[in-house]
Amino acid sequence: GENVEQHPSTLSVQEGDSAVIKCTYSDSASNYFPWYKQELGKRPQLIIDIRSNVGEKKDQRIAVTLNKTAKHFSLHITETQPEDSAVYFCAASMGGGADGLTFGKGTHLIIQP
Amino acid sequence: DAGVIQSPRHEVTEMGQEVTLRCKPISGHDYLFWYRQTMMRGLELLIYFNNNVPIDDSGMPEDRFSAKMPNASFSTLKIQPSEPRDSAVYFCASMGETQYFGPGTRLLVL
Repeated sequence: GENVEQHPSTLSVQEGDSAVIKCTYSDSASNYFPWYKQELGKRPQLIIDIRSNVGEKKDQRIAVTLNKTAKHFSLHITETQPEDSAVYFCAASMGGGADGLTFGKGTHLIIQP
Repeated sequence: DAGVIQSPRHEVTEMGQEVTLRCKPISGHDYLFWYRQTMMRGLELLIYFNNNVPIDDSGMPEDRFSAKMPNASFSTLKIQPSEPRDSAVYFCASMGETQYFGPGTRLLVL
């Protein structure tokens, strides 16, 4: 089955700086890569996703890049703010999400004031 | 739209008891997923349904776990008998274009 590795497990950045979280996946058949943000005690919430026919996608301060050859994808957050502090999960799916998601172990992002 | 609804939000039970978790997906979503989240194992897919039919239950940890979806607006995940290692947060998610998670049920088995 699919395996998703996520790094780093903890990331501390100064407010206003950029944060980058990286994930690799094992199965080249994967075609859908969402990112979820989870605040303490809350549900995972989708913040951005990318499909395998696209190399990059942006939404305001958030961007995701995908390298299919290397089988890795990354989340980029620019101009970080205190409310960006949370755990971020990457995930992969071979069926566009319809076959379920395989998640990475998560990155605890800490924004230092 | 109320989003995905789960009940109960918290459940404390004793080892050996039956536990039933409930989920109401977003109306019109054809896919429903059950995930479990623990510190040790992270977020794991347990089972998913398409149009009320179970498609893949390979993530269900043991025969003590079972799930049903009798109609498009209701699903249950049952654990019988429960064990302390089943303690976790159980999320239900439904999918239209993307997956939306419910608020989760925090289960503690003593």
